[in-house]
Amino acid sequence: GAVVSQHPSWVICKSGTSVKIECRSLDFQATTMFWYRQFPKQSLMLMATSNEGSKATYEQGVEKDKFLINHASLTLSTLTVTSAHPEDSSFYICSATIEFGGNTEAFFGQGTRLTVV
Amino acid sequence: DQQVKQNSPSLSVQEGRISILNCDYTNSMFDYFLWYKKYPAEGPTFLISISSIKDKNEDGRFTVFLNKSAKHLSLHIVPSQPGDSAVYFCAASDNAGGTSYGKLTFGQGTILTVHP
Repeated sequence: GAVVSQHPSWVICKSGTSVKIECRSLDFQATTMFWYRQFPKQSLMLMATSNEGSKATYEQGVEKDKFLINHASLTLSTLTVTSAHPEDSSFYICSATIEFGGNTEAFFGQGTRLTVV
Repeated sequence: DQQVKQNSPSLSVQEGRISILNCDYTNSMFDYFLWYKKYPAEGPTFLISISSIKDKNEDGRFTVFLNKSAKHLSLHIVPSQPGDSAVYFCAASDNAGGTSYGKLTFGQGTILTVHP
């Protein structure tokens, strides 16, 4: 099946630094990818829609200047958490959709555990 | 405003019996529903989906039922196996404006434990 790969799987960074998370579609092209965030024991919350070749669309309440999204190619989207703070510590997950046989399925990456100290 | 709700935070079932996971939604624009299985520190794994034009979809041990009038869907797993123990999320999407189904709204998740 379709595979979405996310890197790194975990990262620890100091407050004030920036962290980049990569999301790759390994065997298909994804014009649209999605970034989610999950706090402990909570649901996955959509942060933004990443569009290849254009600006990302952010959900209400998500700071676009803090969570920079770049979708420069059909197989790669990156999320950069800028000037990270401890409250940014969370589990970040990307997804990409693929349409086949009249169905649309969303496939998720493995997730990235970010800890800001 | 929680548009997709899973009111049972946990469910415990004996191996071989049926597991029934429930999900309610409030947004009548949702027309595509999915169930995901998730382990800690991993991304969700797709299980099964259903379009609003159907009321049932079956794939092996997994069956999803959709009751549009009640805005309710359920996932049945039978027979349940210990390996099914995980967190199950239901998710919904609306294909407004022809956009893809990737923009999902998730429920809070239900922790399923299947005892041997």
